[in-house]
Order: sequence, then structure tokens, then C-alpha cells
Amino acid sequence: SQQGEEDPQALSIQEGENATMNCSYKTSINNLQWYRQNSGRGLVHLILIRSNEREKHSGRLRVTLDTSKKSSSLLITASRAADTASYFCATDTGRRALTFGSGTRLQVQP
Amino acid sequence: NAGVMQNPRHLVRRRGQEARLRCSPMKGHSHVYWYRQLPEEGLKFMVYLQKENIIDESGMPKERFSAEFPKEGPSILRIQQVVRGDSAAYFCASSPPQIAGAYIQYFGAGTRLSVL
Repeated sequence: SQQGEEDPQALSIQEGENATMNCSYKTSINNLQWYRQNSGRGLVHLILIRSNEREKHSGRLRVTLDTSKKSSSLLITASRAADTASYFCATDTGRRALTFGSGTRLQVQP
Repeated sequence: NAGVMQNPRHLVRRRGQEARLRCSPMKGHSHVYWYRQLPEEGLKFMVYLQKENIIDESGMPKERFSAEFPKEGPSILRIQQVVRGDSAAYFCASSPPQIAGAYIQYFGAGTRLSVL
């Protein structure tokens, strides 16, 4: 698999439920970032976690990073219909070019 | 403070024509990146530029594709003699100077290229 693989590929939940997305990667990283993309739009940066950090919070978002397993998870709590989007993890290996996974498509049913 | 501006938003070309995609970074940003996204896929890095310099073009196809970021004006991604396989969304991102070993890339809304 390529650097930055998310699972599941698609996730459908009800409003108010939590959504968890996972990301695995292969090489050593400086940091890992999560982005959101609404249909037909550009990417919006959500959160960045450095390689020496294990957990980070931002509003309803919680990101964890396990460098020993080369994996990260994004948790969205109390989801809303407006959270419907594709979510991508991106790894920064120090080259400045980000390597994106293929994304998780989240559908939040009202 | 305007975000990253890309134009055009949609571009239709016939096979063999040239496509020119423009990107103006956010004010104060001197680093520009181009990515390509095929339907239902993630973004794939193409090229990273600073003013008047190509820093990393490891993701650029060897032929027909070129990029520039002149001293004045927007960054341009140029695709010569387009083929149907070039149909994709092309995103530009910009970033400020690195801060504390990390940086965030800010993305434009993309240019959707359709090759007929």
C-alpha cells in the first residue's frame, strides 16, 4: 500500500454519533496532517500532529499518532451533517511535498 | 487576506491543445505546490516551487508538463499536447516559511481540466 492509507474508505453515520478514521503510513515522518475536502472543493487543513506528539485536540477533533505502528486516527465527536466530506491524512517526511492517502468519505445522516 | 486563487476553475481542452493553469499564493507565502487529483483518489504531489526556482519536481511527468513561479505574477502549470489521461483536478497550495519544523499548506479551490 502507498504512504498514507486511510480506512475505512467510506463511513456513514447518524448525526450526533462519533466518526473514527484511521491512517497508516510506511516511512518516518516529521508530522502528519489531516485535511477535509468538500465535494468539488479544495482541501482545508484541520490539524497537524508532530512526530513527537501522541495526541492532539482541536474543538470536536481528536487526533492520535502512534509512530511505532506508523498509524494515526482522527476522531470527530458529536458529528453534524456539515461534517459530510472526504477526509485525508497527509504525511510530511521533511521534503515539504505532502503525501496524501486516498481518503475516507464520511456521510453524516441528519 | 485572500486565500490561494486558482484560475480558471474549469478548463476544457481538445486533445493536442495546451492547458495553462494559474495559481496566486496567499499574501506573504513564497512557496507553491501543485498536486493532481483523479476522481475518488487522494492528491498526488507534482512540483514544489519558490520564486524563480523549482525545488522539487519529482512528481512531474517527464514530458509535456512544466511549471514556473516567476518573480512577478502567478505560478503557472503548463500541460502541452494534452491527452485524455490528463483530465483531473489540479490543486495549488502555498505555505509560509517553515515555523518550528512544521508548516501548513493552504489550498486553492482547484482547476478541473477536461480533455475531450
